Amino acid sequence: GENVEQHPSTLSVQEGDSAVIKCTYSDSASNYFPWYKQELGKRPQLIIDIRSNVGEKKDQRIAVTLNKTAKHFSLHITETQPEDSAVYFCAASGGYQKVTFGIGTKLQVIP
Amino acid sequence: DAMVIQNPRYQVTQFGKPVTLSCSQTLNHNVMYWYQQKSSQAPKLLFHYYDKDFNNEADTPDNFQSRRPNTSFCFLDIRSPGLGDAAMYLCATSRDGTYEQYFGPGTRLTVT
Repeated sequence: GENVEQHPSTLSVQEGDSAVIKCTYSDSASNYFPWYKQELGKRPQLIIDIRSNVGEKKDQRIAVTLNKTAKHFSLHITETQPEDSAVYFCAASGGYQKVTFGIGTKLQVIP
Repeated sequence: DAMVIQNPRYQVTQFGKPVTLSCSQTLNHNVMYWYQQKSSQAPKLLFHYYDKDFNNEADTPDNFQSRRPNTSFCFLDIRSPGLGDAAMYLCATSRDGTYEQYFGPGTRLTVT
């Protein structure tokens, strides 16, 4: 089955700096890579996703890159704000709509 | 607003006492999932329904069962809860042909 590794597990950045979270996956058949943000006590919410036919995708301050050859993908948050503080999960899906999550990264943005 | 609803939001049960958690959706999605999420861990898929087809994960304990009587509702039954089953249980839905999952707010289960 799919295995997704995520790092770092915790990340502290100053407000306004950039944050980068990296993930690797094992199943070369995976073709969908979502990123979820989960605030304390709340549900995971999709913030951005990328499919295997695309190398990069941006949405305002958030971007995701995908390297299929190396089987890794990354989340980039620029100009971080305190409300970006949360746990971020990467995930990979190879079909049949099953998603395997990474272990999560706790991001703290220091004002 | 279309959404995924879970009831109850908080559930306390006694060790060994059966408990049922419910999930309903107004999105008309044909795929529904149940996840278990323990503190500081990633959501762990227990099983999912693709329409009426039930798909159990290999490592989901037999203690966990599920029912989906119709498109809108899905239930998680824990037949004999143990202390290790205390967790947040998340229901999610997805539309056929796409992959985005929509999560409900979760039910936090406490086992005493």
